[in-house]
Amino acid sequence: AQSVTQPDIHITVSEGASLELRCNYSYGATPYLFWYVQSPGQGLQLLLKYFSGDTLVQGIKGFEAEFKRSQSSFNLRKPSVHWSDAAEYFCAVGAIGSGGGADGLTFGKGTHLIIQP
Amino acid sequence: DTAVSQTPKYLVTQMGNDKSIKCEQNLGHDTMYWYKQDSKKFLKIMFSYNNKELIINETVPNRFSPKSPDKAHLNLHINSLELGDSAVYFCASSSSTGVIGELFFGEGSRLTVL
Repeated sequence: AQSVTQPDIHITVSEGASLELRCNYSYGATPYLFWYVQSPGQGLQLLLKYFSGDTLVQGIKGFEAEFKRSQSSFNLRKPSVHWSDAAEYFCAVGAIGSGGGADGLTFGKGTHLIIQP
Repeated sequence: DTAVSQTPKYLVTQMGNDKSIKCEQNLGHDTMYWYKQDSKKFLKIMFSYNNKELIINETVPNRFSPKSPDKAHLNLHINSLELGDSAVYFCASSSSTGVIGELFFGEGSRLTVL
């Protein structure tokens, strides 16, 4: 069964500083990997995804993530955070299922990002 | 127009009651889901429907019954509510012919059982 580990429950970063959120996955085949962001009181929004090809993927809001198969990791990065980046970040892994599309996603437990002024 | 909309957004009720949450998507997607997010923000899939047919039914109590009258709607009915059912329930949708695995989420329905 697939699983996702986000080892950091909380991370505090100063505004303007760089950010890296860690994600490790366990999956038997080539994973489909995602990062979602959840602002307070909101649903989840897709930041970026990796299916195949270039292991460095660009997303919205200036985020990027790098897939490293050897480390089973898909860490999210941003060179300079803004106060509006404060949110919950979820890494997820998915697969193609009998439904013809993804049979849902398996999410990590999330990392709560706090931005200090 | 909201892509995935859920109603109600907040629900406060007593133990033992029955309640429903409705979800509608206007994205033309053929797959819809219910996820439960607990107090620690952990998200877990409950159900998945593709073209009105149940695809995933994770280990949830049979007090939870999803119903999909058409591709655009997936409702969740909960019988005999318990304290442990308090959570935020998210509806989501995706397309089996579009970007695989990209889920579009509603804003959630916060259920509080007293």
